[in-house]
Order: sequence, then C-alpha cells, then structure tokens
Amino acid sequence: DAGVTQSPTHLIKTRGQHVTLRCSPISGHKSVSWYQQVLGQGPQFIFQYYEKEERGRGNFPDRFSARQFPNYSSELNVNALLLGDSALYLCASSFPGRDEKLFFGSGTQLSVL
Amino acid sequence: AQSVTQLDSQVPVFEEAPVELRCNYSSSVSVYLFWYVQYPNQGLQLLLKYLSGSTLVESINGFEAEFNKSQTSFHLRKPSVHISDTAEYFCAVKSNFGNEKLTFGTGTRLTIIP
Repeated sequence: DAGVTQSPTHLIKTRGQHVTLRCSPISGHKSVSWYQQVLGQGPQFIFQYYEKEERGRGNFPDRFSARQFPNYSSELNVNALLLGDSALYLCASSFPGRDEKLFFGSGTQLSVL
Repeated sequence: AQSVTQLDSQVPVFEEAPVELRCNYSSSVSVYLFWYVQYPNQGLQLLLKYLSGSTLVESINGFEAEFNKSQTSFHLRKPSVHISDTAEYFCAVKSNFGNEKLTFGTGTRLTIIP
C-alpha cells in the first residue's frame, strides 16, 4: 500500500511568489494535517482538514491556506512568500479515532530566495 | 495550550551503551504522549505512544518510555543502542479531545559512536 505522498519533493521560489504543495493521504484516511518544520526545530502545526472541512488552524498568517478535495487529497497554498517560509512542509494523514496515529509523508523542501 | 521541552538537542552515545532522551511537557488538559523518529531525508515515524493504561510503553525495536504524571515527563530509553538508531527523535503531545494537532518539542539528535 502506498504511504502518504507529497509533491513536489523540492521547490525553489523567490520572495513574493506563490506556492502550492500537494498531498495524497493513505487510502481510507479522511484526515489530512500540514506541518512546517524549520531547520533545527520541531514541526509546527499549520492546518487539519477532515471531510473537506477545516478542523484546526495553527498560529500562521493568512498567507497560508489549504483545502481538501472529495478524494481527501489536499493542497497547501502560501502567498507572498518570505525568506522565513523556507522549511520542510510535512503532510500527515490519519483515520480519526483510530489509535491516534499520524502517518507522515517525506515532505516538500521549500527554499525561498 | 500545550508545550514540550526536550532539553538535550544532541546526545552522542557509544554503540551498545544505554541512552535516555528526556521530554517534559506542560498542559492544562489531559494529553496523549508520543515519540516520533525522523531518519535522514525522511518523514516522521511513530515510535511509541501513551494513550491510557500502563504508564510504561514499548516499541518493537527495543525503545521504551514511561509516563510520569507528577513530573509531567515522558522520557525515552533504550538499554543498548545500535548504529541504526542514529536519527532525530521528537517528543509530542496532543489533547485527548478536539482536533489532531500535535505539539512537538525541538528534537534530540541521537548520534551513535561505533
């Protein structure tokens, strides 16, 4: 079975641009969460979506947005990129209420120049 | 709100020696506790978790962690480490109700010395 897949794996953008990151959850998982991991720090929660509805939002500016599609895949969008947005963006999927386990993808490494 | 403190950013250990990675947490509500491991160039993998019941939990590869409510700790231990244990280890907490937000610590890089 395929795990959580994220695309692209690496991305280079310049300040002010917009970026879209994509995530496909494990088959059967209806919840997708996004995390930002800056080098040398632990992952920080950005969003959780379940059944296409936002269930949680972390302390990130409105430049960050996300959505979930009917097939449960998800997109994370970041507008007006800043140098500080450079990070590894991780997607995780789960079946809520089932053993509290998140399955993480390998992430998208975003570099903002 | 919750927070997690991992005081040791790096821990070097000789192969086959024991290791303890420390984790303390703060929360105003009841929480679940987790240890995740991140191998180089990979995403995070769940190592072990405490949800309820026995305060000592074990993983399939020899790690164990003990939930101590009075000390608000969830330290990770292994009696004998191997080269393959080289990785970044993250402690995390989650409220036992509401959304699936995990709050992570800053991580501990475990380096095994041959």
